[in-house]
Amino acid sequence: DAGVIQSPRHEVTEMGQEVTLRCKPISGHNSLFWYRQTMMRGLELLIYFNNNVPIDDSGMPEDRFSAKMPNASFSTLKIQPSEPRDSAVYFCASSSTSGTGANTGELFFGEGSRLTVL
Amino acid sequence: SQKIEQNSEALNIQEGKTATLTCNYTNYSPAYLQWYRQDPGRGPVFLLLIRENEKEKRKERLKVTFDTTLKQSLFHITASQPADSATYLCALRGGRGSTLGRLYFGRGTQLTVWP
Repeated sequence: DAGVIQSPRHEVTEMGQEVTLRCKPISGHNSLFWYRQTMMRGLELLIYFNNNVPIDDSGMPEDRFSAKMPNASFSTLKIQPSEPRDSAVYFCASSSTSGTGANTGELFFGEGSRLTVL
Repeated sequence: SQKIEQNSEALNIQEGKTATLTCNYTNYSPAYLQWYRQDPGRGPVFLLLIRENEKEKRKERLKVTFDTTLKQSLFHITASQPADSATYLCALRGGRGSTLGRLYFGRGTQLTVWP
């Protein structure tokens, strides 16, 4: 398997522009997570989906952030409008859940999308 | 709110020694705890999982302990090698009273093993 695939790997944009980050989870995984990593705050969970349904979006910073998962093989994280404080590495991760629906397994991370907002 | 602390931001040891990393947590009753390795410019990679009813887990040169009374996990790398140099992250999944599926990460400890 190719693993979790994220694009773009690097994005440099200007404040106010829309940014869309993309993720293809591992085939067969039914949970998908978006994390943001910064030096100051470490890895923060933004949102996660189970069977394409958003379960917990309490980590989404504000309304400028939105995430979708239209099908089991694709998810997007959108920032509109972007701000310099959004500069970070954004990771997508996928996992399989147990029969109870609770996530008990390891997360498989993509290589991340490094976002710089000028 | 939940808080996860890893003992130090950086740990430097000599090759062949045992590296011991610490993960402490408060305001939390995790169902299990995981350790990940992260290399520069890469995503974290899963290493080990230990459940709340397990005291110790081993995998090759790695050993993890989990003390729910002390609210602490220790991560050991025996016979350390320069190739073990990386950042190590602990992560906890909630048990009672937390959102199922939510994994909280510590900020990591950067380990450097010098020859």
